[in-house]
Amino acid sequence: AQSVTQPDIHITVSEGASLELRCNYSYGATPYLFWYVQSPGQGLQLLLKYFSGDTLVQGIKGFEAEFKRSQSSFNLRKPSVHWSDAAEYFCAVGGKDSNYQLIWGAGTKLIIKP
Amino acid sequence: GAGVSQSPSNKVTEKGKDVELRCDPISGHTALYWYRQSLGQGLEFLIYFQGNSAPDKSGLPSDRFSAERTGGSVSTLTIQRTQQEDSAVYLCASSPHAHRIAAKNIQYFGAGTRLSVL
Repeated sequence: AQSVTQPDIHITVSEGASLELRCNYSYGATPYLFWYVQSPGQGLQLLLKYFSGDTLVQGIKGFEAEFKRSQSSFNLRKPSVHWSDAAEYFCAVGGKDSNYQLIWGAGTKLIIKP
Repeated sequence: GAGVSQSPSNKVTEKGKDVELRCDPISGHTALYWYRQSLGQGLEFLIYFQGNSAPDKSGLPSDRFSAERTGGSVSTLTIQRTQQEDSAVYLCASSPHAHRIAAKNIQYFGAGTRLSVL
């Protein structure tokens, strides 16, 4: 079965600290992977995506993610977080196995300590 | 408009009533999606419109749910005889063009409609 697991419901980090949000997926076919961010009261905004090629992808707002096929992971990282990064982050996977629809993780809420 | 617009932003209704939720996609976008986001859950795919093709309704949870898209633009999601478990945020997204692999379509989201069924 296709699924996306974001093991951390909440993560709290200090402003200026580094961040890693975990995403693991279960997917048979070639996965297309996404990270989206949702600020309070807003819709989701695409941070970055992986389709093929270089497994380290760069996104907006200084975020990056690394695709590790052997670990079925697509973790999101940022070297130094800002208070404005406080939001909910969603990982998603899509492809042939899900009729090309996206399967979404439950989200990780990022809290920034001043 | 500049982005995907959804209305109303909040809707409170009584159990058993029908509701209509509206989505106005970004001008020129050919693909449109509806999702349901329950508290503490990820997004649940409901329905996908792509141009003039028959919509992919595989995510609709019951026959109480229906959606239409008029003129390839505005879409309405209708929930009949609402139940308390229908309470959720309903999100709409649109994509600028139809990639042959739908999962590669970059989706642009509206702010959602928060539905509360009492």
